[in-house]
Order: sequence, then structure tokens, then C-alpha cells
Amino acid sequence: EDQVTQSPEALRLQEGESSSLNCSYTVSGLRGLFWYRQDPGKGPEFLFTLYSAGEEKEKERLKATLTKKVSFLHITAPKPEDSATYLCAVASGGSYIPTFGRGTSLIVHP
Amino acid sequence: DTEVTQTPKHLVMGMTNKKSLKCEQHMGHRAMYWYKQKAKKPPELMFVYSYEKLSINESVPSRFSPECPNSSLLNLHLHALQPEDSALYLCASSQAPPEGQFFGPGTRLTVL
Repeated sequence: EDQVTQSPEALRLQEGESSSLNCSYTVSGLRGLFWYRQDPGKGPEFLFTLYSAGEEKEKERLKATLTKKVSFLHITAPKPEDSATYLCAVASGGSYIPTFGRGTSLIVHP
Repeated sequence: DTEVTQTPKHLVMGMTNKKSLKCEQHMGHRAMYWYKQKAKKPPELMFVYSYEKLSINESVPSRFSPECPNSSLLNLHLHALQPEDSALYLCASSQAPPEGQFFGPGTRLTVL
């Protein structure tokens, strides 16, 4: 059974204070790891798909990296508008349906 | 068009009502999904349609009935719901599992 653990559960940063969110996963044959951003009361917004260890993707202040057991979402010089819940999900060879982690709630203070 | 639309945005219904949620995408995606999300929890998969055929039903009660009229549309028919069914209902689409999913804004459902 696929397992996804996100940490920390909540993170408070000052504007401009860079940090990383963690997504640890256990799967039998990774087919894809996905990052989403979700604002309160809205649907998740797709950010990145990573397929293999060593892969990296960037979008504005966000950079996602992947190793064999962990994915990191690096946030460089965050702004208050980056405040949201960030969800990680994995799909494996056993089940192509993504398994979601519980998310990290990020608050960036001005 | 990279958008998934859902109607209505909000829905309040009694336990004896019948209502439907609607979802539409024009990205040419062949997989469509229904999720249920409670506060402070991740989305919980309900149904998956792949090439307009129901491929996954995650043991959802029969009071929820999905329908995929064509490759762009997805409906969720609701009947005799319970108060604990109150949640945010999300529709999503993807090229095919397990590609990244594009989510709609959701329908906030309240069952009285």
C-alpha cells in the first residue's frame, strides 16, 4: 500500500525567509509524484509532476526535487500570497490513482 | 482552455432531495474524477472515469451516482444524503492516470 507523509504539518515563515516542505513516500514502483497548492475553500491547483529520482522542476519561487524516498518543495523568498496548503500525492505501479498526503499548511507573514 | 468548471458553487439540500453536481473540461483529458474533501483533510477519491467508462468506485454509498455523458462532462447525482455527506466535492481531470490532475473549484455541499 502506498504511503505519503508530509512534514511539517504547519509552517510559519516571515516574508523572504526561504524554507522547504518534505514529502516522504513509500511505493512499489513510482509512476509519478505530484505537488498541488490549495487555498481555503478552493480546489487544488496543480504545480508539478516528478517521475524519477534526480528530477527537478521550478515555477516562480517554487522548486520541487525528487529522491528515491523523499520529495522536497523549496520555497525561495516567499511572499504572503504563497500562503496556502501544499499537498503531495504519489501514484505507483500497483495503483495508478494518486495517494495524497495530509498536506503542509504554510503561512507567510509580511 | 486549462480550466475545469463545476456547478453549482454552493448547494444546500435536505435529506429527501435529489440534486446533481456538474463538471466540465475542454482540455481533451480522458480521465475524470470525483473527490470528497472534508475540512483540514486531503481529497478522498470517490470515482474515476477513464475513456468515459467507470473504472474505479471506491466503495461509495449508492446515494451517490456518477454519470459521464461524454468525454467533457461528468455528473454526480445525489439522493437521500446524510448530514455527514456535507463536504467540498471536487471534480478533476487528467490526460490519463497517473498524470497530474487539474481540479475544479469545487461544490460546497451542505445537507440539512
